[in-house]
Amino acid sequence: GAVVSQHPSRVICKSGTSVKIECRSLDFQATTMFWYRQFPKKSLMLMATSNEGSKATYEQGVEKDKFLINHASLTLSTLTVTSAHPEDSSFYICSGKGAGGTDTQYFGPGTRLTVL
Amino acid sequence: EDQVTQSPEALRLQEGESSSLNCSYTVSGLRGLFWYRQDPGKGPEFLFTLYSAGEEKEKERLKATLTKKESFLHITAPKPEDSATYLCAVQASFNKFYFGSGTKLNVKP
Repeated sequence: GAVVSQHPSRVICKSGTSVKIECRSLDFQATTMFWYRQFPKKSLMLMATSNEGSKATYEQGVEKDKFLINHASLTLSTLTVTSAHPEDSSFYICSGKGAGGTDTQYFGPGTRLTVL
Repeated sequence: EDQVTQSPEALRLQEGESSSLNCSYTVSGLRGLFWYRQDPGKGPEFLFTLYSAGEEKEKERLKATLTKKESFLHITAPKPEDSATYLCAVQASFNKFYFGSGTKLNVKP
């Protein structure tokens, strides 16, 4: 149980285009979803936290107009990188957490974004 | 200041050589401590959740323990397939999560 999927797993795009990454909880309802960014050989950097039906809460230094997060249902959250630039190239990982009981986050497999 | 520190940064073991990874934390209002395993190019895989000092959990060759200041992940008789980066995370008050920088474990046959 507690499976989270991400799509796509890899994406290559040109500078200036927008990219959407989907995160789905397959066998549980994720009332809270988190989006992380991970640089090579570094730990996870939290970008934002979103609760279903609410606006996302962004961490300090993360541009909310550049990284648009939508959490429209209990099983789906999306991250859109708008007007992507090479410095946005990274490994993006989402996680989901259910309501009540455990507070464990379950992570997706990640999306490798390369902006040319 | 809330923070999580993992040590060592990297650990090389021979197959069968048991050892422990450390996760020390200073957070206000600990709600839970989590261990994950991460393989290169993949998302973290959940291993354990610990909620209170004295709690222990086991899974195959791994055993996690928790005190008021730190957690240990004990690896007994590791195998090469245990090679990965092990991440520790702490949930504090107000639903804030803090991740350590990880310990990269390499088990040689």
